[in-house]
Amino acid sequence: LAKTTQPISMDSYEGQEVNITCSHNNIATNDYITWYQQFPSQGPRFIIQGYKTKVTNEVASLFIPADRKSSTLSLPRVSLSDTAVYYCLPYNQGGKLIFGQGTELSVKP
Amino acid sequence: DAGITQSPRHKVTETGTPVTLRCHQTENHRYMYWYRQDPGHGLRLIHYSYGVKDTDKGEVSDGYSVSRSKTEDFLLTLESATSSQTSVYFCAISESGTGRGYEQYFGPGTRLTVT
Repeated sequence: LAKTTQPISMDSYEGQEVNITCSHNNIATNDYITWYQQFPSQGPRFIIQGYKTKVTNEVASLFIPADRKSSTLSLPRVSLSDTAVYYCLPYNQGGKLIFGQGTELSVKP
Repeated sequence: DAGITQSPRHKVTETGTPVTLRCHQTENHRYMYWYRQDPGHGLRLIHYSYGVKDTDKGEVSDGYSVSRSKTEDFLLTLESATSSQTSVYFCAISESGTGRGYEQYFGPGTRLTVT
């Protein structure tokens, strides 16, 4: 199973772009990379997934280099409501998502 | 939001008593999961189901059993609750288990306290 490493916490200010990088050195060839967001007292929410290069949706962008050993979640112009924990998860076949500690993002005014 | 409900939302029980948590979905998704979340551990998979009567263990399955007799319901049972099972339990569903459509949608959670 691919093991992930991401910063435990990050601070930012409203309006800034936030980039959260996750390393996954032993990601399997068939694994997708997914990111989830979790607000306090709520279940995680799927944000974005990708396999390689760049993926963008209405919430975020995901950058994955050619070697796929890392990925970067980019949140443009964050607001206070983006304060949450963000999880990077290489997808494991069979439905077994392995959640690590995640990155606790704190957005300040 | 995906149609997932969990019941009860909060429960306090005594050590040694059996407890059953229910997850109900209205999305007709094939896969269903039970996780627990504890401070300092993130979410950990307890059991999951890939179809009616088809279940498998996750990373922390000891002390838990599950059943799925209908597509829409996935039950998690603590046969004899212990204080170490005090946690927040999340149910999740996904359309498929691989490739596209595997993103999971989570329920609101059940806060269980074992005294």
